[in-house]
Amino acid sequence: SAVISQKPSRDICQRGTSLTIQCQVDSQVTMMFWYRQQPGQSLTLIATANQGSEATYESGFVIDKFPISRPNLTFSTLTVSNMSPEDSSIYLCSVEAVRGYGYTFGSGTRLTVV
Amino acid sequence: DAKTTQPNSMESNEEEPVHLPCNHSTISGTDYIHWYRQLPSQGPEYVIHGLTSNVNNRMASLAIAEDRKSSTLILHRATLRDAAVYYCILRDWGDNQGGKLIFGQGTELSVKP
Repeated sequence: SAVISQKPSRDICQRGTSLTIQCQVDSQVTMMFWYRQQPGQSLTLIATANQGSEATYESGFVIDKFPISRPNLTFSTLTVSNMSPEDSSIYLCSVEAVRGYGYTFGSGTRLTVV
Repeated sequence: DAKTTQPNSMESNEEEPVHLPCNHSTISGTDYIHWYRQLPSQGPEYVIHGLTSNVNNRMASLAIAEDRKSSTLILHRATLRDAAVYYCILRDWGDNQGGKLIFGQGTELSVKP
């Protein structure tokens, strides 16, 4: 299965600032997925990122708040913009390395906004 | 999206089998049944998946009802390291959902020594 490197693993940020999270995969994948996990909750899909096209956002998530880049088939970034304490969560990226089989998840970025 | 229903929590004793149920009464013919687990402070990890037939791998077994409206993840001998949240998710093979996984609340499994 694919191996994902996600950075940073954690950060503490001031409200009103932005943080960019990086996701690097050791193989080429068509789709990359970004999730948010709020404290004590399950994972919520933010968006799907395809290489060469704009990301597709789920209901409740907008590009201005969570811009995503996907410059090639092994890399993606998620930016959390104009942060507020409500953005304090774990953010995870995921890929489906082989279609129809298991998805792999990064270890997550634990974000605290103060 | 087809939905799944799982108990919020279950308890098990170490070295005993664990049966984690999942109901998916609105499953479609192109939905695969996936199971993932999330250990504390880690991202989810793939456990097993199946379509119609029962499946076994080194981690677990998946028993699928004949009408596919329910399934059971079986851990044959629970260990303390199996304490996690287990998610049952339907994955549309036909990509009608764009390949995405939609997580429910999952079952929090605790294992007692």
